[in-house]
Amino acid sequence: QLPLQEPGSGLVQPSQTLSLTCDVSGVSTSRGPNSWSWIRQPPGKGLEWIGYIYHTGRTYYNPSLNGRATISVDRPMTQVSLKLSSVTVADSAVYYCARAFVRVNPFYYYMDIWGKGTTVTVSS
Amino acid sequence: SYDLTQPLSVSVALGQTAKITCGGFNIGSKNVHWYQQKPGQAPVLVIYRDYNRPSDISDRFSGSNSGNTATLTISSALDGDEADYYCQVWDSNSVVFGGGTKLTVL
Repeated sequence: QLPLQEPGSGLVQPSQTLSLTCDVSGVSTSRGPNSWSWIRQPPGKGLEWIGYIYHTGRTYYNPSLNGRATISVDRPMTQVSLKLSSVTVADSAVYYCARAFVRVNPFYYYMDIWGKGTTVTVSS
Repeated sequence: SYDLTQPLSVSVALGQTAKITCGGFNIGSKNVHWYQQKPGQAPVLVIYRDYNRPSDISDRFSGSNSGNTATLTISSALDGDEADYYCQVWDSNSVVFGGGTKLTVL
């Protein structure tokens, strides 16, 4: 199980940038290089995929976020970061990082190891 | 965008079999994955690639996928199986989740 995400920012003001990091140093690479996802869940609602970073560094994002999300990983592969700009109240949610198990031929993608999640509230 | 439809709720008597469906156009041509989420906890992968179980998941959980419907089956339901269940696929360079199904064990 991933260590708990660093709080980064539990409370964010509207229009500001949400920043979260996830310590992934303890996750095995025995199945190959790891890729990482961010997912969120607004209070009382379902899961929403934010995006993922493939082990090559290529990123994919949910189009509904209109380019506001940026996912990155440090080169020692110890931390995965999420930045979400211009936040509104609608971005209040529990944010999860998760390992994305990805295979390209044939293609499939699922999330097999999840962090515990961190709650972010957008409010002035 | 690709839509996945799940029933909002499913009820099952203790010890009986529960089936949770996930509907989508030609979903049988996609790989479907299922997650269990208990209140206040992170999701847990219970089925991947339609019918495969992670090693730490009970064999009471099984999956199938054909046509326009994927199904998660939970046999001999236990109180501990009460949770929300989400199906997931990959489509057009995005992850798509179903809306989730709340399983109640009576």
